[in-house]
Amino acid sequence: SYVLTQPPSVSVAPGETARVTCGGDNIGSKRVHWYQQKSGQAPALVIYYDTDRPSGIPERISGANSGNTATLTISRVEAGDEADYYCQVLGGINVHPVFGGGTRLTVL
Amino acid sequence: EVQLVESGGGLVKPGGSLRLSCTASGFTFSRFSMNWVRQAPRKGLEWVSSVSSTSTYIYYADSVKGRFTISRDNAKYSLYLEMNNLRAEDTAVYYCARGHSSAWYIFDSWGQGTLVTVSS
Repeated sequence: SYVLTQPPSVSVAPGETARVTCGGDNIGSKRVHWYQQKSGQAPALVIYYDTDRPSGIPERISGANSGNTATLTISRVEAGDEADYYCQVLGGINVHPVFGGGTRLTVL
Repeated sequence: EVQLVESGGGLVKPGGSLRLSCTASGFTFSRFSMNWVRQAPRKGLEWVSSVSSTSTYIYYADSVKGRFTISRDNAKYSLYLEMNNLRAEDTAVYYCARGHSSAWYIFDSWGQGTLVTVSS
């Protein structure tokens, strides 16, 4: 099956820029979606089709996808951005939804 | 406002069965595909199953195929997951999630989840 690789953790100071990567074989040929899961809450979609934001998601959250890496970028990080972030694609032999292992973003 | 409320979770012995339900409101249920996604304790997300808006297309993860059955009742705005022959590794919070209008595999709204514990 198709494997998505994310770093377990990323740390950033408030006001700085956080980048969460998602690696996969030629992931640039796929459409990547990102979910944010705050502690004790259900996940929420924050980016879909690589770069699109659902209504209510601030512009400082953005996505990019090229080659073997997709990246979720959070600019001007706030304490409220602290969460687990998951990338997701449609992949594998059976063409099913696949999630990355998740990255915990810690705001220092 | 889209709302998804799961129910039916609980403690069950290995080999047992359980039926989860998800009640939707705030949108026209019959127009959207629906999905189940689970999360084992302190683990990541795992897609479980999906059903198209009219139940024409149904998909399962290999890990549950042959044991779980997804269904929906559009008149009742409800989604179901019948789980049989449960194993310890099925222990997880099970989320009901709506498929995006453009793609069933993008999960744009989620319920709060229901915990299933498989243990003797």
